[in-house]
Amino acid sequence: DAKTTQPTSMDCAEGRAANLPCNHSTISGNEYVYWYRQIHSQGPQYIIHGLKNNETNEMASLIITEDRKSSTLILPHATLRDTAVYYCIVRVDRGSALGRLYFGRGTQLTVWP
Amino acid sequence: GAGVSQSPSNKVTEKGKDVELRCDPISGHTALYWYRQSLGQGLEFLIYFQGNSAPDKSGLPSDRFSAERTGGSVSTLTIQRTQQEDSAVYLCASRPDRDSSYEQYFGPGTRLTVT
Repeated sequence: DAKTTQPTSMDCAEGRAANLPCNHSTISGNEYVYWYRQIHSQGPQYIIHGLKNNETNEMASLIITEDRKSSTLILPHATLRDTAVYYCIVRVDRGSALGRLYFGRGTQLTVWP
Repeated sequence: GAGVSQSPSNKVTEKGKDVELRCDPISGHTALYWYRQSLGQGLEFLIYFQGNSAPDKSGLPSDRFSAERTGGSVSTLTIQRTQQEDSAVYLCASRPDRDSSYEQYFGPGTRLTVT
């Protein structure tokens, strides 16, 4: 699976949009981009995933560049409860690879009042 | 509905003892995963079950680690002759068996401390 690069930490004011970048320059055509987050002392929580088109759900939006070498997770109106470590993961969804998630160090997002 | 549950939530054991960690996945989820997270580190994949079989156990760090799943439901991760470096939070996740859904649902984890 392709490697991802994320900033170690970011801050965001409550109520503002949080934009979390991720580089995945070695991504291949059949690899999906996944985002999870982990609030302190909890298990990771799925947020969103996409292949090439931008995606939106009730939690966030995922913007993937046309060349697919980077993506941005957008939390449109960050709250204090969004403070967490955010993981960007690139993965192939087929066969025996339909399983493991490779979690890097992620980005520690701190939302301040 | 009920999420993934794990027990115990905390386990303190002496070096050299064996421990068993339990995972109850969400009902109907056929895929089950074990990960571990050492202090300040990201998650490390251990093993993946599809039903009762484990097509990917490549993440198990040594032969002291084993896991089984019975009845396509509950899974047990066993660590024999525990070492201090085994101290970590052990997380279990399950996934629904739908082609359009690949998100994994994580349990709260078991914090293992080897003294």
